[in-house]
Amino acid sequence: KAGVTQTPRYLIKTRGQQVTLSCSPISGHRSVSWYQQTPGQGLQFLFEYFSETQRNKGNFPGRFSGRQFSNSRSEMNVSTLELGDSALYLCASSLLTSGELFFGEGSRLTVL
Amino acid sequence: QQPVQSPQAVILREGEDAVINCSSSKALYSVHWYRQKHGEAPVFLMILLKGGEQKGHEKISASFNEKKQQSSLYLTASQLSYSGTYFCGTEYRQTGANNLFFGTGTRLTVIP
Repeated sequence: KAGVTQTPRYLIKTRGQQVTLSCSPISGHRSVSWYQQTPGQGLQFLFEYFSETQRNKGNFPGRFSGRQFSNSRSEMNVSTLELGDSALYLCASSLLTSGELFFGEGSRLTVL
Repeated sequence: QQPVQSPQAVILREGEDAVINCSSSKALYSVHWYRQKHGEAPVFLMILLKGGEQKGHEKISASFNEKKQQSSLYLTASQLSYSGTYFCGTEYRQTGANNLFFGTGTRLTVIP
């Protein structure tokens, strides 16, 4: 069974640009969550989607957005990139709500 | 709402025991434990629910103290494979969603 797949794995952007990250969950998983991981803050919740609907959103500015498609694949977008957006962005899928999260290996974003 | 983990880092020799604590200032509904090895995705260890029993997984177990709003992860007879960063994720109410608040992690290093 394939795991959670995130693309791209690494990317470098400059301030002011925008970026789109993609996440393919495990087959059959309808819940997809996104987390930002930085050395100082650990894992911080961005948002969660279930059946194409955003159910929860973390405390991030509106520059961070996401969506989920009918096949449960999800994308997140960050507009007007700032240096502080440099981080590892992790996607996690789940079969059950409030259950075990299966994480992808992440997309490492560097903003110059 | 981010839980506080302690210690931030610990070094053990093989065979030694360790305890990692996760504390919250708010009443907890559930605590989730994950381990992340360097350069890899976080991996689920266990979930503890309010009113639930202590969980165990081989030589790794955890408890949930509702009065103290604290969970502790116990690693006994540590092995080299236990090295990694341990995160606790908390839920403050049963939301039916996957929006965990993670601590900043405890880096565990096991040496021969």
